[in-house]
Order: sequence, then structure tokens, then C-alpha cells
Amino acid sequence: DAGVIQSPRHEVTEMGQEVTLRCKPISGHNSLFWYRQTMMRGLELLIYFNNNVPIDDSGMPEDRFSAKMPNASFSTLKIQPSEPRDSAVYFCASSSSGFSPEAFFGQGTRLTVV
Amino acid sequence: AQSVTQLGSHVSVSEGALVLLRCNYSSSVPPYLFWYVQYPNQGLQLLLKYTSAATLVKGINGFEAEFKKSETSFHLTKPSAHMSDAAEYFCAVSEGGGGNKLTFGTGTQLKVEL
Repeated sequence: DAGVIQSPRHEVTEMGQEVTLRCKPISGHNSLFWYRQTMMRGLELLIYFNNNVPIDDSGMPEDRFSAKMPNASFSTLKIQPSEPRDSAVYFCASSSSGFSPEAFFGQGTRLTVV
Repeated sequence: AQSVTQLGSHVSVSEGALVLLRCNYSSSVPPYLFWYVQYPNQGLQLLLKYTSAATLVKGINGFEAEFKKSETSFHLTKPSAHMSDAAEYFCAVSEGGGGNKLTFGTGTQLKVEL
């Protein structure tokens, strides 16, 4: 398996623009997580899905952020409009509800909003 | 609610010396515990996990961790540090089962000196 795949790896955008981050989880995994990593706040869980259904979105910072999982093999995290304080590395991770509960992480998307 | 505390945001050791990274957890149910490692500009990679089996867990790259319920601890150790161990290490807790969110500590940056 190729692991969790995120795209793009790097994104530079201007303030006010819409940004869409994409994630393909590991095949067969039924849980998907979006994390944000910054120097100031560390790793923050933004939202997670079980079986394509959002379970906990309490970490989503504000209404500018939205996440979808239309099927088991794809998820998006959208920021509209983007702001400089959204600059961070965004990670997607997936896990299985079977015996091995660990999450597997993608390589991340480094977002810079100027 | 679950939480993790990592004592020491930066740890420095000499090559060949013992590595000890501390992690204490809080959980209302028997937890699953994890250590992840992050190299620069990469995602998080699982080092080892505790899922209520043996309390001494061995992971990759010679690392191990011991679950101590009485101390609510899950410290990470390696007998002899190598230069390649320099990275950031994260402890994480999950409230059992798969598909549950991981809560991460703030991370410990390990520096290995000659």
C-alpha cells in the first residue's frame, strides 16, 4: 500500500483565497483524521471521520474551515477565505477499527498564506 | 477526557548514552498509548504502541517503552543513542479501540551530540 497520500505537498496562496487540501487514506481504513501542526500550538486535531461520517469537529477553528469525506477513499479540507494565521502543516491520518488502532500519517501539506 | 503530558520540550544526549523521554497520560478508561517520531519535513511515523497486552513494548530502531498504570506513565527509552535518532518525538493516547481520536503531547525534540 502507498500509505496515506496528501496533495499538494506545498501550497502558497494569497490571503482571501480558497484553499483545498486533499487526502487519500489507506485502503480498508475506516477512520480519517485531519491535524494541524504549528510551532505555537503543536499538533491539533481538527476533525475526524468514522465510516465517512464526521464524529468530532470541535477542533475546527472557525466557520472558514470545512471538511468532507464523500467516500471511503477521499477527503478534503477547505479553508475559505484563507488568512495568514492559517499557515501551518496540515496532516491527514487514517486508522482501522480492527485490532491495530494506530493512525498512519501522510507526509503533510505545508500551507503558506501571504 | 484524555490528555498527555511530555516533560521536557528539548532533550540533549551524547551519542551512545541512554535516551529517556517522559510521557504521562490521563484517561478515564484503559488507554491505548503510542510513541511517534517525526523527522524534519516529514509526517509522523509510529515507533511503538501499547494496547493492553505486555506492559513492556518494543518498537523500531531499538526503542522501547513501559506502561506503568500506577504512575500513569509511558516513558520511551533507548539504551544507546545514535545520531540518526535526532528528531521530534510525540506521545499520544487513545481511549481504546480503533477509530478513536489520538490526543498528542506537545512533543520532545531530541538532540544527539558527538
